[in-house]
Amino acid sequence: KNEVEQSPQNLTAQEGEFITINCSYSVGISALHWLQQHPGGGIVSLFMLSSGKKKHGRLIATINIQEKHSSLHITASHPRDSAVYICAVKGSGGSNYKLTFGKGTLLTVNP
Amino acid sequence: NAGVTQTPKFQVLKTGQSMTLQCAQDMNHEYMSWYRQDPGMGLRLIHYSVGAGITDQGEVPNGYNVSRSTTEDFPLRLLSAAPSQTSVYFCASSYRGVDSPLHFGNGTRLTVT
Repeated sequence: KNEVEQSPQNLTAQEGEFITINCSYSVGISALHWLQQHPGGGIVSLFMLSSGKKKHGRLIATINIQEKHSSLHITASHPRDSAVYICAVKGSGGSNYKLTFGKGTLLTVNP
Repeated sequence: NAGVTQTPKFQVLKTGQSMTLQCAQDMNHEYMSWYRQDPGMGLRLIHYSVGAGITDQGEVPNGYNVSRSTTEDFPLRLLSAAPSQTSVYFCASSYRGVDSPLHFGNGTRLTVT
């Protein structure tokens, strides 16, 4: 059983829509990463958070440590946001160098 | 600033051949790691290092070796390639702190026939 679950697996939206991608995890963590991967492209780190909320442009990431849940929101979505979004958790204690990844959410934003 | 550099970008090997995937970073990061990405599986940790001379196994280490003789370089060696090692490989690095973001290389697409 994957320790990191993302939903939905696939998401199609119209330009301008508000997008939410969810990530749930089952283990104690020290930090959570949101990553972006364009088709055939490399992986870019969007956010790293251990509590609360972070905002960068149209992207917002939140985390609830007690509920073991994080969300990535995209406001006013644009076709260039089309990519795979990946959640990854960094373990706590002795395993805090190891990352466990979700399988990703494929987002397609149509013009 | 080059960031994380991976070479080669593409490689085709025959079963049983060996090769080394190169990874170098110029950010003085202590932590470096190798992942493989397979369809439907997500990224999986192969090996990682928290500093020069220190390496440890990840989730899927079999068939791979690593070494970390310098802070900058973290090569991944395939000892005897198998078709099951066909995948896209990513190297990543970061500072050791919990709050440090990851920096990824552009990936190596490996096909083993």
